Amino acid sequence: DGGITQSPKYLFRKEGQNVTLSCEQNLNHDAMYWYRQDPGQGLRLIYYSQIVNDFQKGDIAEGYSVSREKKESFPLTVTSAQKNPTAFYLCASSTMDEQYFGPGTRLTVT
Amino acid sequence: GESVGLHLPTLSVQEGDNSIINCAYSNSASDYFIWYKQESGKGPQFIIDIRSNMDKRQGQRVTVLLNKTVKHLSLQIAATQPGDSAVYFCAESGAGNNRKLIWGLGTSLAVNP
Repeated sequence: DGGITQSPKYLFRKEGQNVTLSCEQNLNHDAMYWYRQDPGQGLRLIYYSQIVNDFQKGDIAEGYSVSREKKESFPLTVTSAQKNPTAFYLCASSTMDEQYFGPGTRLTVT
Repeated sequence: GESVGLHLPTLSVQEGDNSIINCAYSNSASDYFIWYKQESGKGPQFIIDIRSNMDKRQGQRVTVLLNKTVKHLSLQIAATQPGDSAVYFCAESGAGNNRKLIWGLGTSLAVNP
């Protein structure tokens, strides 16, 4: 069954801690993306990767880091430098134009 | 800057009526447009897409219209059902964006029984 998985669905952390969100796809897509969504808002691009071992900053990359060591995996680390980390995080992948989304991870930092 | 915007942030319709969600874009170089549906707490799901060499594309109960003259995109949903209640996003991309999608703000559709 092909698709994108994100884990966990809900994540709770204390302020000052780094946290890594998982994103795995078995669609054989080259490109992968991380978005942040705040309540009642649209999607904002954090980072994207068009090929293994390469990634670019999106519109709101500050306080986040990524790696792309494998085609299937694109983990996102939310660092303590991110001022407002509480949000819904969405991972997506694509081969051409259409992006396929995972179910999202809701991160709450207190 | 270039942006994709929506005319109506919220839309309320009666079950069985047709719904029209509008979207304006400003990048004339965009050549691909796409609509997504997002239910509460879930990731966006693909609805329908259209390329700039087309004016209209139909799917199951949905139609996307593209007017390049006025840079306008619309999503029409026929016989709207309660299950259509969600937030709908339009997005665009073009050669100059490395195929990144530029997202609109979203329209919330509420279907009244």
